[in-house]
Amino acid sequence: GAGVSQTPSNKVTEKGKYVELRCDPISGHTALYWYRQSLGQGPEFLIYFQGTGAADDSGLPNDRFFAVRPEGSVSTLKIQRTERGDSAVYLCASSLVGGYQETQYFGPGTRLLVL
Amino acid sequence: QQQVKQSPQSLIVQKGGISIINCAYENTAFDYFPWYQQFPGKGPALLIAIRPDVSEKKEGRFTISFNKSAKQFSLHIMDSQPGDSATYFCAASTSTGRRALTFGSGTRLQVQP
Repeated sequence: GAGVSQTPSNKVTEKGKYVELRCDPISGHTALYWYRQSLGQGPEFLIYFQGTGAADDSGLPNDRFFAVRPEGSVSTLKIQRTERGDSAVYLCASSLVGGYQETQYFGPGTRLLVL
Repeated sequence: QQQVKQSPQSLIVQKGGISIINCAYENTAFDYFPWYQQFPGKGPALLIAIRPDVSEKKEGRFTISFNKSAKQFSLHIMDSQPGDSATYFCAASTSTGRRALTFGSGTRLQVQP
């Protein structure tokens, strides 16, 4: 009965480094979303997976951002050559099948700080 | 076209009072409007949602009012309690395109005892 989990809960890195953020969705959920939430703002969409494939990656800001979900469950968001502007809370959400009006269940997020 | 505008940015209400948060959208393709509640250090959690074929939906102390012609919707929290103190986000999505939610900028609600 666990919810969406994300690791690490906090990540501090230096500008230019590579980071990986992990999301473990609710068991059985085939749809998985990544959002980014800057301080004082609402979450902004990054990428949506349906099973193993990225059904919509139109929210990724540039080619430094990449995400995978190789077995259709756990997903990893990868950020190359991090910049200070990448500092934010990265939220993962999952839903049962990605259907219209389906509830998206969010994890607690990973707080990324790029120094 | 994708933007959802939310106001106020912050709100202070006395215990027992009514909290009102407003949102406006531009994209007429939006046809699902959820509200999320977020406590510090937690992810957003669905509170209540509405479709545009109804003008109001009530669940306990929480009510969504929807005005399709004005492209506006609002959240009313009746008998506000200190435990309601959180950040509230309106959101919208469309059945004809992106499955992801488009969020407003959030309202930080503080209910004073």
